[in-house]
Amino acid sequence: DSGVTQTPKHLITATGQRVTLRCSPRSGDLSVYWYQQSLDQGLQFLIQYYNGEERAKGNILERFSAQQFPDLHSELNLSSLELGDSALYFCASSVGGFAEQYFGPGTRLTVT
Amino acid sequence: SQQGEEDPQALSIQEGENATMNCSYKTSINNLQWYRQNSGRGLVHLILIRSNEREKHSGRLRVTLDTSKKSSSLLITASRAADTASYFCATLLDSSYKLIFGSGTRLLVRP
Repeated sequence: DSGVTQTPKHLITATGQRVTLRCSPRSGDLSVYWYQQSLDQGLQFLIQYYNGEERAKGNILERFSAQQFPDLHSELNLSSLELGDSALYFCASSVGGFAEQYFGPGTRLTVT
Repeated sequence: SQQGEEDPQALSIQEGENATMNCSYKTSINNLQWYRQNSGRGLVHLILIRSNEREKHSGRLRVTLDTSKKSSSLLITASRAADTASYFCATLLDSSYKLIFGSGTRLLVRP
C-alpha cells in the first residue's frame, strides 16, 4: 500500500459526460501528479501540483482540468468525454522536487 | 514522444534465472527511476538512481546508469514467479518535474 488513495476505482460513463476523479496523497507529501495510461499511448504525464499550485503540465487536453485543495487532496476533472478517454488514470504523490513518486491504485474510466 | 524506451518489450525466463532490462533515453536527466506494475494495477517504485551515480542496489535489484550512452539497465537476480510484471523506466529531467515513462518491459517468470 503506497498510502495514496484514489476514488472511484471504476467509472463507466457515456460520451459527452463529465467526471471527477479524486486523489489523496501520502501524509506529508506536497506534490500530486496525474497520469493517464492507455494501450496506445502508454503512461502519459498530465499535470503536477505542488502545495496547491500548478508546477508542470504535460499532454493534458483542454477538456481536462485539475486542482489541488488546501488539504492537499487533488481532483482531475474530465469533460466532454470521448471514447478515446477510456484509460487508467493514476495519481501519484511525492515530497516534491526530484524525489520518487508513490502511485495510487488508479481509476479505470470506461467511456461508452 | 517517449523519453525512455525499454528493451526487450517482453522477456520470458525460468524461475531462478536473472532478468535484465534496458532503458535508453534522449536528453539529460536529473535522475532515472524504475517502477513495477502488476497487471492493470498501480505502479510500485523500485529504485531511483541519480545522474551522478553509476550503480545502485536494492535487495535482488541492481541498476546501472551510463549517462554518456544515455542508458540504464535493471537486473533482477534469482527471479521468482512473483516478479512477473511490467517494468518501466522513467526519467526526470533537470528542467522539469515531469516523470517521463518508457514503454515498459513485460517480464514473465515461469515457475
